[in-house]
Amino acid sequence: GAGVSQSPSNKVTEKGKDVELRCDPISGHTALYWYRQSLGQGLEFLIYFQGNSAPDKSGLPSDRFSAERTGGSVSTLTIQRTQQEDSAVYLCASSYFSYNEQFFGPGTRLTVL
Amino acid sequence: DAKTTQPTSMDCAEGRAANLPCNHSTISGNEYVYWYRQIHSQGPQYIIHGLKNNETNEMASLIITEDRKSSTLILPHATLRDTAVYYCIVRPRGGSEKLVFGKGTKLTVNP
Repeated sequence: GAGVSQSPSNKVTEKGKDVELRCDPISGHTALYWYRQSLGQGLEFLIYFQGNSAPDKSGLPSDRFSAERTGGSVSTLTIQRTQQEDSAVYLCASSYFSYNEQFFGPGTRLTVL
Repeated sequence: DAKTTQPTSMDCAEGRAANLPCNHSTISGNEYVYWYRQIHSQGPQYIIHGLKNNETNEMASLIITEDRKSSTLILPHATLRDTAVYYCIVRPRGGSEKLVFGKGTKLTVNP
């Protein structure tokens, strides 16, 4: 079946611009996660959704980062006023329930010039 | 912070078994051991997980010591496509659902 999909696969933006990254989880998966992977920091957790609510936002690095999930399905991660340190691969994962194994998408590579 | 310790890198000959160790000496009773791998430029891929019994699936076997302080992931017949970074993660059931990744082990399978 279809896996987790993310779009765009690559995004180049200028410092100060806003960007939106999209995640389509596996159909029927109730839990959705955002992570990011940068050269200096490795893979780090950003936010977790159960349904449309986000019980754990502890990984969001600043208030420039926000995310929402609608209809218990698609999620959007928004970064406002992008900075060069936001450059990373942003990964989305989903799982059937929060305690099940997570399946990852291919990621969105964000480059902030 | 990651609660596991893994070697930085390992090499394995194609067709041979790859045995990847992981130390998790502070693991608690309700924490599972998960293994993921990340092939270059791809998202992490789930491999296997276990609590205290040994587990086997189509990809690998997971051997957990009786005291649960360490485990070994076994790829029985490594291929070149198994070259990846392998992450060992401890994860509580019913607690924080996020995965905390360490630096993992870079496994290189050589022809």
